[in-house]
Amino acid sequence: GESVGLHLPTLSVQEGDNSIINCAYSNSASDYFIWYKQESGKGPQFIIDIRSNMDKRQGQRVTVLLNKTVKHLSLQIAATQPGDSAVYFCAEIHYNQGGKLIFGQGTELSVKP
Amino acid sequence: DVKVTQSSRYLVKRTGEKVFLECVQDMDHENMFWYRQDPGLGLRLIYFSYDVKMKEKGDIPEGYSVSREKKERFSLILESASTNQTSMYLCASTRINYGYTFGSGTRLTVV
Repeated sequence: GESVGLHLPTLSVQEGDNSIINCAYSNSASDYFIWYKQESGKGPQFIIDIRSNMDKRQGQRVTVLLNKTVKHLSLQIAATQPGDSAVYFCAEIHYNQGGKLIFGQGTELSVKP
Repeated sequence: DVKVTQSSRYLVKRTGEKVFLECVQDMDHENMFWYRQDPGLGLRLIYFSYDVKMKEKGDIPEGYSVSREKKERFSLILESASTNQTSMYLCASTRINYGYTFGSGTRLTVV
């Protein structure tokens, strides 16, 4: 069935290091992928997205890589800061299924000062 | 700045009560969604709507209904609240082919 899953439930990094959060998806027909950040007590906040016809997209301190061959998505955060501590979700959208967003379980990122 | 507003951050209701969770977006988005979020289960889709007066069941619609009388407002209704509906409820909206914007969430406790 459809699923979007994350390899690791928790990730701990030192402040200033780079973080890599991974995500595997199962539906090769997915059109669009999004990374969300969710801080405690708040709703998910959009970080960066990538369409299925791309393999890399960069934002401010974040990069998303899409490998369609192995159905793998990753989020790279450069120079991780304490404010980056949160749960990160990958999600995919199938436009031929009404644009439903399917979420992975989430990875909790902890940044040690 | 685009906004999705959920009317309550915290709610406490009694078992058997009828509960209304309200969501309003100011972006003229066509699609609106209700999710619930539970530890270990992630975000699960309850209902969604493509347009006014239209609704579709998500993955876990049992015990819920929705109403979309106006484009900007999407209401989630718990007809008879039960303790297993204690959860964080998240509303989201999107324009077709674009990403989602989420509200801040409503943490509902049913006692």
